[in-house]
Amino acid sequence: KQEVTQIPAALSVPEGENLVLNCSFTDSAIYNLQWFRQDPGKGLTSLLLIQSSQREQTSGRLNASLDKSSGRSTLYIAASQPGDSATYLCAVGAGNTPLVFGKGTRLSVIA
Amino acid sequence: KAGVTQTPRYLIKTRGQQVTLSCSPISGHRSVSWYQQTPGQGLQFLFEYFSETQRNKGNFPGRFSGRQFSNSRSEMNVSTLELGDSALYLCASSSLTGGVTDTQYFGPGTRLTVL
Repeated sequence: KQEVTQIPAALSVPEGENLVLNCSFTDSAIYNLQWFRQDPGKGLTSLLLIQSSQREQTSGRLNASLDKSSGRSTLYIAASQPGDSATYLCAVGAGNTPLVFGKGTRLSVIA
Repeated sequence: KAGVTQTPRYLIKTRGQQVTLSCSPISGHRSVSWYQQTPGQGLQFLFEYFSETQRNKGNFPGRFSGRQFSNSRSEMNVSTLELGDSALYLCASSSLTGGVTDTQYFGPGTRLTVL
């Protein structure tokens, strides 16, 4: 059974700092991995989707990497801003089965 | 292109009642998934529908049910509500390519409170 873990559960950084969020999964037989952002009480916003054949994806200040063999993904946020404060979730997809989510990392960027 | 919409956004019910939540997917998306999110358990998969057929089902009791209509809109129903059913219920739509779910797009959720 696939399990997804995100460490740390919460993170507080000063504005302008570069940071890395971690996601690990137990079963490397994945089809893709997706990073989401969730603001308090709101739905999820898709940030990046990495297919299993890819090593990384970039969007603006965000870069996500995937190492299937070690069961790890990282989300790198450059030059963090207070507007980046949110909970970040990673989810693993195995193709025709449901996404399995981690419990998220709650990020606070302090001005 | 309009996003995923969910109605109602907030709902307060009492134990024993039943509730129906609605989700309208992005135009052209035929797959709709439902998730329950609670502080303790995180996001848990409820079920997925594609072309009016349930494609996957999570580990929830039979009190939780769903359906999908020919226009891809979906509803989920919870009967005999319990206090533990209080949660944010999220709907996500996606397209399928070769039977594989593409990027999921989430709605804003329905916040259900059971008193």
